[in-house]
Amino acid sequence: RKEVEQDPGPFNVPEGATVAFNCTYSNSASQSFFWYRQDCRKEPKLLMSVYSSGNEDGRFTAQLNRASQYISLLIRDSKLSDSATYLCVVNIRGSQGNLIFGKGTKLSVKP
Amino acid sequence: EPEVTQTPSHQVTQMGQEVILRCVPISNHLYFYWYRQILGQKVEFLVSFYNNEISEKSEIFDDQFSVERPDGSNFTLKIRSTKLEDSAMYFCASSFISREAFFGQGTRLTVV
Repeated sequence: RKEVEQDPGPFNVPEGATVAFNCTYSNSASQSFFWYRQDCRKEPKLLMSVYSSGNEDGRFTAQLNRASQYISLLIRDSKLSDSATYLCVVNIRGSQGNLIFGKGTKLSVKP
Repeated sequence: EPEVTQTPSHQVTQMGQEVILRCVPISNHLYFYWYRQILGQKVEFLVSFYNNEISEKSEIFDDQFSVERPDGSNFTLKIRSTKLEDSAMYFCASSFISREAFFGQGTRLTVV
């Protein structure tokens, strides 16, 4: 069973649309959760950490459901510049920062 | 804005040769990491380094790999005898605490 699973997409949406990505993780000892974005052949860039109570940063909202081991990312009013691969990332309790990456969900925002 | 820098951006090497990938982490960060990403696959953890020693490593990080922090600013990854399957993008990352990590732009290693 994959440790961090994501729908690979691609999600093709028009500008201004709202899009949601989901992610599930298998290790119940996961303690820290993040969304990164990765442009083609570039490095992962931290988009936001995900907190138990849910958190929002502008057009981006992240939710965590520990009971279901499920994380989500919602993007509102999507822009052309949001086109990228979105990586769900977890860190296991007790590990020294070893981040476990999902394979990513590809988003393409069209005019 | 402080950033992690990596050199070179692209390295081509012959199978069996040694390569050293270099990184300058963000200056006040305490944890340093190497990850790799084979084309079309997910980002994979190789090793973490804290307090001048390896704190964790994956099964990928076998005896042909080593890391070093030779001075106060550089962090290197050495691959002793490269194999074709070592071809990948190698990312260095650093973090202040073992949580949010910031990545360098990567070194694309091509083994021929």
